[in-house]
Amino acid sequence: DAGVTQSPTHLIKTRGQQVTLRCSPKSGHDTVSWYQQALGQGPQFIFQYYEEEERQRGNFPDRFSGHQFPNYSSELNVNALLLGDSALYLCASSLEGYNSPLHFGNGTRLTVT
Amino acid sequence: AQKVTQAQTEISVVEKEDVTLDCVYETRDTTYYLFWYKQPPSGELVFLIRRNSFDEQNEISGRYSWNFQKSTSSFNFTITASQVVDSAVYFCALIIYGGYQKVTFGTGTKLQVIP
Repeated sequence: DAGVTQSPTHLIKTRGQQVTLRCSPKSGHDTVSWYQQALGQGPQFIFQYYEEEERQRGNFPDRFSGHQFPNYSSELNVNALLLGDSALYLCASSLEGYNSPLHFGNGTRLTVT
Repeated sequence: AQKVTQAQTEISVVEKEDVTLDCVYETRDTTYYLFWYKQPPSGELVFLIRRNSFDEQNEISGRYSWNFQKSTSSFNFTITASQVVDSAVYFCALIIYGGYQKVTFGTGTKLQVIP
């Protein structure tokens, strides 16, 4: 039973560029959330997708956008990259409903130079 | 707004010592879940425990135990007889019922267990 998988594991981009990160949820899960974790900090909620729609959003600018596909996988897109976007980006999946714990992937380490 | 505070930034203990990681939370909601996650150097957040706001019963799982006290808004985590493999960053987190599983994390406590 595959857990949450994220790709790529590492990425180096230049300021101003755009990036796409990918996530495949744990088998059977239908909800995907994205988190940004800066060095030495706790993860910060970016947004959550359910039934291919963004259901809730944290305090992140519109440069951060996402998508969920019919197979429940998801993408996180960041436009006009800033140095401050350098972080570990974590994807978490769960089953719809409040009683379902989040399962996290290993994350994508994004470095913006 | 919700807030989770982990005042201990880093803790070092010698192997086999007991260690307690503190977590204090703030919320106006009466229904919520509290979590502890472990983050080893690999980066993945590993789920350890979930406790809902109506269940103040303490829990023990092997060398791990959790003490939930609503009166002090605390959800502390104790590792008994620590091992080198316990070295990681530990996060306390909060989910509000009805909050679509938006998790509020603390800033984490880095635990180093010295052999």
